[in-house]
Amino acid sequence: SAVISQKPSRDICQRGTSLTIQCQVDSQVTMMFWYRQQPGQSLTLIATANQGSEATYESGFVIDKFPISRPNLTFSTLTVSNMSPEDSSIYLCSVVGQGRGTDTQYFGPGTRLTVL
Amino acid sequence: AQKVTQAQTEISVVEKEDVTLDCVYETRDTTYYLFWYKQPPSGELVFLIRRNSFDEQNEISGRYSWNFQKSTSSFNFTITASQVVDSAVYFCALSVPGTYKYIFGTGTRLKVLA
Repeated sequence: SAVISQKPSRDICQRGTSLTIQCQVDSQVTMMFWYRQQPGQSLTLIATANQGSEATYESGFVIDKFPISRPNLTFSTLTVSNMSPEDSSIYLCSVVGQGRGTDTQYFGPGTRLTVL
Repeated sequence: AQKVTQAQTEISVVEKEDVTLDCVYETRDTTYYLFWYKQPPSGELVFLIRRNSFDEQNEISGRYSWNFQKSTSSFNFTITASQVVDSAVYFCALSVPGTYKYIFGTGTRLKVLA
């Protein structure tokens, strides 16, 4: 499976500021996704990061709040804008495996965000 | 509508005990995938297994085993001789091939006590 890294691994931010999270994969992948996991909760899909076009957002998530970039097949960023304490979560990127692993999502290590 | 239910919110066992984590799913699709992931305290989601809806064979991998029963729409996960390192939150998930959309259960927190 692909090796996925995320930066930063954790951060503490002040309300009203923005944070950009990076997701890097060691091989080209077709599908990349961003998830949010609020404390003690399950994972919620934020959006599908599309290479060369605008991300596809799930219901309840908007581009102004969570702008996403995907300049190539190995890299994506998620920005959490104008943060509030409710944005405190773990943010995870995932990629779909290749070959036999198609349809299986592999996750990055996550970014643990605390907003004060 | 698709749904995944993990009724056990938290389970505590003593080391070396066997433990089964339950997963019940709902879907009208005839072809689907079921998954289990482990999330240790570090936060990373670790892929454990994927099962195709056409393959009802049980699977064993070391101390881990999975029991897939379409008749009861269940995909249960058993850890034999549990260890402290098994302490984590375990998620069951469902997806339909080609959609890449996962329906996650709410997770079961497993605590293995020394």
